[in-house]
Amino acid sequence: DAGITQSPRHKVTETGTPVTLRCHQTENHRYMYWYRQDPGHGLRLIHYSYGVKDTDKGEVSDGYSVSRSKTEDFLLTLESATSSQTSVYFCAISDVGVGTEVFTDTQYFGPGTRLTVL
Amino acid sequence: SQELEQSPQSLIVQEGKNLTINCTSSKTLYGLYWYKQKYGEGLIFLMMLQKGGEEKSHEKITAKLDEKKQQSSLHITASQPSHAGIYLCGADLGDYKLSFGAGTTVTVRA
Repeated sequence: DAGITQSPRHKVTETGTPVTLRCHQTENHRYMYWYRQDPGHGLRLIHYSYGVKDTDKGEVSDGYSVSRSKTEDFLLTLESATSSQTSVYFCAISDVGVGTEVFTDTQYFGPGTRLTVL
Repeated sequence: SQELEQSPQSLIVQEGKNLTINCTSSKTLYGLYWYKQKYGEGLIFLMMLQKGGEEKSHEKITAKLDEKKQQSSLHITASQPSHAGIYLCGADLGDYKLSFGAGTTVTVRA
């Protein structure tokens, strides 16, 4: 268990409402990631963070924003939820970022948040 | 289309039998990860391969990386009910992120 928690674990919301998902780590890892998992698509990166207040977009970032004010917390916000954002959201952490010149580090995943947008 | 293709999409195996899952990349692999996921749960890291020809084993699970073929295989020997789940491969393709395959669902029948 890599010391990652996600909250809430389940959420049902209505189209147009804002939603914030939280990822909390106790490992003091520098890198944090948000993915969504959908049938037939596997895991797709939404946003990632390489330090406090340092974030960047992934491949499916439209409609999502993130914030990281502390090392241990990474928040994912859906400003105005849509039905296409119904998914399972996973947070991951790593000590060193993927694709760096040093080496490729292992990502450890949280338990996931199942979000349904009606 | 996905950068990582996993095959098969699903398989059913009799308990005690062996099984193999493949993960093929359309790009050069700089690192390959195997994860296991149980329904409704997070991903559990199994192993990471970085060098061509590398092979790692953990209990009854063996993974190999064929760098030239840009492919990795995951082999489970004498499958047990505890091996049931979804197996995902993730790869470092030289950019800033891990890319994942769609997953292979494994069912083990007693």
